[in-house]
Amino acid sequence: DVKVTQSSRYLVKRTGEKVFLECVQDMDHENMFWYRQDPGLGLRLIYFSYDVKMKEKGDIPEGYSVSREKKERFSLILESASTNQTSMYLCASSSPGGVRMDTQYFGPGTRLTVL
Amino acid sequence: EDQVTQSPEALRLQEGESSSLNCSYTVSGLRGLFWYRQDPGKGPEFLFTLYSAGEEKEKERLKATLTKKESFLHITAPKPEDSATYLCAVDYGNNRLAFGKGNQVVVIP
Repeated sequence: DVKVTQSSRYLVKRTGEKVFLECVQDMDHENMFWYRQDPGLGLRLIYFSYDVKMKEKGDIPEGYSVSREKKERFSLILESASTNQTSMYLCASSSPGGVRMDTQYFGPGTRLTVL
Repeated sequence: EDQVTQSPEALRLQEGESSSLNCSYTVSGLRGLFWYRQDPGKGPEFLFTLYSAGEEKEKERLKATLTKKESFLHITAPKPEDSATYLCAVDYGNNRLAFGKGNQVVVIP
């Protein structure tokens, strides 16, 4: 079974703090993704990575950065957290797929609250 | 412009009352359509992938079908444990999925 784990289920931070969200997958997947999920907006892609040290902006990258130093680990960084970044953050991973995207498998999510 | 629209937004069913959820999409040249189940406070759990019109997939009480413009998730004789939000996502290229906002299903015993 594919397993995607996220470092925290719940996190509370102050405005202006630097925040790290960690994601680890155990299926040797090349692709990893970070989404945020907000009521009424659905899942929106923040960043994805298709290989170690490779990354590509998603639909809403502003205010975020990412790091992928090892194949199994993908980190999302909020350089200076703001209240509008309060959200559920979901990490996913998949095989490369080729022309068609392969199935993305999701972690349990991190509920981040920025005060 | 919404690429993926799910309806109804919310649905309450009596246990055993079969129903269908709809996912319509505007992407041309569909590469794949995915259905996920999401329980409150948890990450989405993969259910099905459909690639071409006419394709069908089944798992227990769930059956997913695909046409050129929409997909249906049929829930047959639902049980309370089928209560969840069902998400539809479309592969529109560039390693991106477009997600719908979900169908929230509550099954009452």
